[in-house]
Amino acid sequence: AQTVTQSQPEMSVQEAETVTLSCTYDTSESDYYLFWYKQPPSRQMILVIRQEAYKQQNATENRFSVNFQKAAKSFSLKISDSQLGDAAMYFCAYRSPNTGNQFYFGTGTSLTVIP
Amino acid sequence: DVKVTQSSRYLVKRTGEKVFLECVQDMDHENMFWYRQDPGLGLRLIYFSYDVKMKEKGDIPEGYSVSREKKERFSLILESASTNQTSMYLCASGTPGQGVPGANVLTFGAGSRLTVL
Repeated sequence: AQTVTQSQPEMSVQEAETVTLSCTYDTSESDYYLFWYKQPPSRQMILVIRQEAYKQQNATENRFSVNFQKAAKSFSLKISDSQLGDAAMYFCAYRSPNTGNQFYFGTGTSLTVIP
Repeated sequence: DVKVTQSSRYLVKRTGEKVFLECVQDMDHENMFWYRQDPGLGLRLIYFSYDVKMKEKGDIPEGYSVSREKKERFSLILESASTNQTSMYLCASGTPGQGVPGANVLTFGAGSRLTVL
């Protein structure tokens, strides 16, 4: 099974500043999908951003962008102009098209936004 | 928007009880998943289903079973609950394929927090 590693259990950022959450993964596949999901306290998990491995261009969604380095198997999430509503647990996830639609999740990074 | 509804937000059960966690999605998704979420362990896949009456074991299926009699409904069953099954359970659905809007993306329910005493 693929493994997804988030080495930062907790991170904090000042409001309006930028923060980067790290994610690495282990795979021998060349085609796959990567995701960042956000889980606010006591609320539903929602998709933040996704990246197809065959695309070289890094995905962006408003204040959220990724740094996808395929050779290094790294997929970091950058949050710009951090807002109080960004406080949440963030999960990195990997999906292979070859393993029965399974998704593999990291252990999560808890982000605190300091006013 | 896709909606995934989990029937119970909070449950408290006794050791040995049979527990049913229900999940319903309203977007005709082929794939449905049950995850268990524990602090420091992330999300671990219990079972998933890619079609009615079809199921596949995930990483931690022991002590659990599932049922998918209708496409929109995926149930997780704890035949005899134990204290080590105290956890948050997340249901998700998704659709495979290429070029389909929303394909290869999971949509989650709000979660069911189970406490086994």
